[in-house]
Amino acid sequence: DVKVTQSSRYLVKRTGEKVFLECVQDMDHENMFWYRQDPGLGLRLIYFSYDVKMKEKGDIPEGYSVSREKKERFSLILESASTNQTSMYLCASSLLQVQETQYFGPGTRLLVL
Amino acid sequence: QKEVEQNSGPLSVPEGAIASLNCTYSDRGSQSFFWYRQYSGKSPELIMFIYSNGDKEDGRFTAQLNKASQYVSLLIRDSQPSDSATYLCAVPWGGYSTLTFGKGTMLLVSP
Repeated sequence: DVKVTQSSRYLVKRTGEKVFLECVQDMDHENMFWYRQDPGLGLRLIYFSYDVKMKEKGDIPEGYSVSREKKERFSLILESASTNQTSMYLCASSLLQVQETQYFGPGTRLLVL
Repeated sequence: QKEVEQNSGPLSVPEGAIASLNCTYSDRGSQSFFWYRQYSGKSPELIMFIYSNGDKEDGRFTAQLNKASQYVSLLIRDSQPSDSATYLCAVPWGGYSTLTFGKGTMLLVSP
């Protein structure tokens, strides 16, 4: 079974803090994705990566950066957390080919105070 | 990027009934579609993938694709309370298996 894990289930941070969310997958997938999910807005893609050290912007990259130093690990960084970044963050991975299934991690619920 | 529309619901059905969930999409060139189920507080999980026009069946689930009308449906036969969840439709775009998700339809199955 594909397993995607995320470093924290719940996280509370203060405005202005630098926040790291980490995602690890164990199926040798090329693609990894970061989404945020908010009520009424659905799943929105923040960034994705199709290879080590490669990254592509999604729909809402502002205020976020990512890092992919190893194939199995994809980190989402909030350089200076703001209250409007309070959300559920979901990581996913998939094989490279088009139409491949994305497998999701359990999510991190982030609260920025 | 492609747009995917779903009725937010909730769609309420009694146990044992057929639940019908619909999704429309903007890009006539879309070739394939995913249905994910998301329980409250959990992450999405894949339940169906459909590529060809027509129906695809998997147990109690049937996905129907009509490319001419640009909609894809998910039918759940013999609905159970455990089917109560939000169902997300997703369409691939770009060359890296990126997906555009609809906002989801909440399904409530009452005993």
